[in-house]
Amino acid sequence: GESVGLHLPTLSVQEGDNSIINCAYSNSASDYFIWYKQESGKGPQFIIDIRSNMDKRQGQRVTVLLNKTVKHLSLQIAATQPGDSAVYFCAENIRQGAQKLVFGQGTRLTINP
Amino acid sequence: GAVVSQHPSWVICKSGTSVKIECRSLDFQATTMFWYRQFPKQSLMLMATSNEGSKATYEQGVEKDKFLINHASLTLSTLTVTSAHPEDSSFYICSAETSGNEQYFGPGTRLTVT
Repeated sequence: GESVGLHLPTLSVQEGDNSIINCAYSNSASDYFIWYKQESGKGPQFIIDIRSNMDKRQGQRVTVLLNKTVKHLSLQIAATQPGDSAVYFCAENIRQGAQKLVFGQGTRLTINP
Repeated sequence: GAVVSQHPSWVICKSGTSVKIECRSLDFQATTMFWYRQFPKQSLMLMATSNEGSKATYEQGVEKDKFLINHASLTLSTLTVTSAHPEDSSFYICSAETSGNEQYFGPGTRLTVT
């Protein structure tokens, strides 16, 4: 959904544990969802995407789950590593045809050694 | 593949001056590019959609006369912040859309207006 507020939610996990980052989206007509990773001072980096006709998609160490009933998206990262520390954003495409992405507020993931 | 660059990576300018930021798709052609703005500890907000050879489409609340967008080729879009003021200080990020409708983001440009 639309980004609000000045304080990023934070998730701290131990290195090697699994992480789950959640996102609530706003538009029931959205047909495409993406998770991005953003490191400090850099642009967003594509992690994984999922279309609305799917409820789960797996990549390397990452899994995205989509629950359209409650408009909820999650990103699971397996065996987190120090390099996974970043801010993670979900984005929904709210426009049919030509893309228009609306980003969520983001979650800061911190990996503890 | 699918690399997007921005120039400059950071810029400091005086209030009232104009600043141009370039966005290039290095290894693919992009009919559509997007410009976002990101304030500290906040998310990305879409400013405008830049279409090659036509006028940009601006989001509600974004002044088209202040943020001039030119998409003159399939690999280059520029954003010019005119008469910049301190409140325009932000992180400006562009993205380029591939033929497969995937968006790849540039590294961002940090603008500071003094």
